[in-house]
This record gives sequence, structure tokens and C-alpha cells, in this order.
Amino acid sequence: DADVTQTPRNRITKTGKRIMLECSQTKGHDRMYWYRQDPGLGLRLIYYSFDVKDINKGEISDGYSVSRQAQAKFSLSLESAIPNQTALYFCATSGVGETQYFGPGTRLLVL
Amino acid sequence: TQLLEQSPQFLSIQEGENLTVYCNSSSVFSSLQWYRQEPGEGPVLLVTVVTGGEVKKLKRLTFQFGDARKDSSLHITAAQPGDTGLYLCAGGMGSGNTGKLIFGQGTTLQVKP
Repeated sequence: DADVTQTPRNRITKTGKRIMLECSQTKGHDRMYWYRQDPGLGLRLIYYSFDVKDINKGEISDGYSVSRQAQAKFSLSLESAIPNQTALYFCATSGVGETQYFGPGTRLLVL
Repeated sequence: TQLLEQSPQFLSIQEGENLTVYCNSSSVFSSLQWYRQEPGEGPVLLVTVVTGGEVKKLKRLTFQFGDARKDSSLHITAAQPGDTGLYLCAGGMGSGNTGKLIFGQGTTLQVKP
């Protein structure tokens, strides 16, 4: 079984809709991250959490919110989706060091 | 804002050729990681370098961290079609931000048989 899972893997939604992307991990890591990936821009950090009670904004948090429901679960919400939020979204986890372990990604299309 | 410039962005070569990908910044990083990503999957760690001047080898891949810990390179010898993919460098932000990474834009490598 995969250490980091993301659901859904693919999602098509309409402008203005609220959607949630979910991430679960079995690695026992305290730290979790949400990134988006756009062609030519690499991975950009949206939000990160170093433990259950810690939530921090990344470089592109506007239009997004997160919830850390448990050590193993970290969800990302788009309150009112817009077309420029069309992207590939990745969840990642890390332990004490800086190595991050990524999920398989969610491909989101906002029409 | 810390930036990590990766070059080239695209590389298309024939099997057997050598190549080098560069990752440069004006900032000092606590570590430099290289990831490889295949279509439909998340990035997977290839190597982490933490000491200025450090060189690590992984089969035909050689990774180097600059002496000042501001830059890194990935050299592939005798590239094979199986090396095709997106290569990402990422700099660790270190003390006070341990765990956070800054990613380069990525290098898409295509190795033709």
C-alpha cells in the first residue's frame, strides 16, 4: 500500500464550486504539505503543518484553506474554485529531516 | 524571497549521451535534494546533499553540492530511455524553517532510443 494517498486522483469542477482534496499518510510523520504544480513553475507551497495544532501559509495560500484532522490526515479546500486554480496538486509528508515523500497527485480542472 | 533557478528547462538527447542539469541560487541552503517525477506520479527522492562540495553517485547519476551551498548539479552519464522524466531540485530552508523546501522549475529530460 502507498505511504501517502490522495483522493480524488482526478476532479473536474465548475467555477464557484467548493471542493476538498484529501491526503492520508501511513508514515507516522508529523509534517505535511500541500503543493500545486504548473508547467514551467515547479512545485509551489500552498500550506504546511508541522503538527496537528500547527497550520502555516505557504507562498500561494490565497483562495485555499486547509484542515489537519489528525496526524495522518491533511485536507485542502478551494472555497470558490476559479479556472486559474486548474493544476496538479500534491500532498507531501516529512519526518525530522528535510526529505519529503509525495502522494500521487490530484489533477484538478476548473471550468 | 529565495529562488532556485534550474537549467535547462527542456533537454532532448540520444541514448548514450551525457548531460548536466544545473540548479543555482543566490541563497544558501541547508541541504539540496534532487527528485525525479514520472507522468501521473509524485516526485520521488533521488539524493540529498548537505555538505558544501559534497559529491554523491547513484549508478550513472552524479550529484554535486556547491562549496558555498548555493548551487548543485546533476550529471547523467550514458543516458538511457529509462532516464526520461522531470528532474526537480529543491533547497532546504534550514534553521527555523526546517522541513520546508524551495523547488526549482524542473528539467524535462527526453532520452531517445
